[in-house]
This record gives sequence, structure tokens and C-alpha cells, in this order.
Amino acid sequence: DVKVTQSSRYLVKRTGEKVFLECVQDMDHENMFWYRQDPGLGLRLIYFSYDVKMKEKGDIPEGYSVSREKKERFSLILESASTNQTSMYLCASSSRGRGTEAFFGQGTRLTVV
Amino acid sequence: DQQVKQNSPSLSVQEGRISILNCDYTNSMFDYFLWYKKYPAEGPTFLISISSIKDKNEDGRFTVFLNKSAKHLSLHIVPSQPGDSAVYFCAASARNYGQNFVFGPGTRLSVLP
Repeated sequence: DVKVTQSSRYLVKRTGEKVFLECVQDMDHENMFWYRQDPGLGLRLIYFSYDVKMKEKGDIPEGYSVSREKKERFSLILESASTNQTSMYLCASSSRGRGTEAFFGQGTRLTVV
Repeated sequence: DQQVKQNSPSLSVQEGRISILNCDYTNSMFDYFLWYKKYPAEGPTFLISISSIKDKNEDGRFTVFLNKSAKHLSLHIVPSQPGDSAVYFCAASARNYGQNFVFGPGTRLSVLP
């Protein structure tokens, strides 16, 4: 069965802390994505990666960075957490090519206080 | 500016009746469309998709219709069941122009018993 696993379901961090969100997929997918979900705004793309060590900015990359050292793992880093980064973070993966869907992890609810 | 729009934030229907969720897009490069369902505190799960070469795709109780000239798609759920109550996201991708998925803001469907 297809699986995308995010390291934490719930996280509470203080303003200014460095935060790591980890995501692992077991489907040998080339593409991996980080989205955040906020009420009324849907899912907004932060970063995506189409190969190991490759990354592309999405719509809202400011305040975030990513790392993809291995094909199965994609990390989202908040260099200095701020309260406006309180959100639901969703990792997804998909295979390269036409007609494929993205598979999502269970999400991480991050609260920055 | 949102490239994928879902103009109804919420929708209520009676159990057993038809639910129709609508989605509009602006980018004519989009050639693959998907619907996802999301329960609270979980990641989105894939429901059904349609390629731009088709105008209809069916899977059990779910049917997606695509009107390319109007840049409009809709998801029909027949018959609606209480377990269908969730947030539904429309998503689109332009397979020849990158591999990311652009999501709409979502529609919350409530199916009343």
C-alpha cells in the first residue's frame, strides 16, 4: 500500500526556533511536495522537488527552505519560526509522467507561539 | 490570483440526493484535473481524475465532468452518503510544464441524514 509518512502529527514551537518537518515516501516517486493548508486558501505550494538534490520554489517559499538528500525523504525547514507560519503542513509525492496523482501524508499541525 | 477557483465554500445536501461540486480554472495550459477529499486532521485522499482529452470520467458514485471551452469542471456524487461529508479540493496540473498540482480553496460538503 502506498505510503507517505510525516514525522509528527502535532507540533508546538516557539517564535524564532528552527523547525524541521520530515517526510518519507515508500513508492520510489521522483516528485515530492510541501504544501500548507489554511482556511479559505486551500493548499498552497511551498516547495517541490523533482529529483534528489533538486528543488523548485512554489507560490509561498518565503521563510522556508527544503532539503532532499535521498529520493525517499523531503524535509521542510523553518529557519526562524514565526506566528504566521502556524498552519497545517502537508507533504505529497507523485511519479513523473502524465496522468498520475499526488499521494499525501497525514499532515502536521504546527503551532508557533 | 487564483488559477483554480471553487466559488462555493460550503454545500449541504440530503442523504441520497446528488451533490454537485464546481471548479473553474483560468490557465489554459492545465491538462489534467483531480478531485481530493479531506477529513479534519488528515491528509487529502485522491478521489477521481480526468484528462483534458476526455469530458467525463466515472468511478462508482463519483463522476467528473470537464468543459474545456468554459474552463469548468464538476464532481457529481450520487447518491450522497453521510460519510461523504468532508472538504473537497479541485486540483489541476499542466503536465508538460512542470509536475506541480495547483489546488482550489476547497468546498465543505455536509450530507445530512
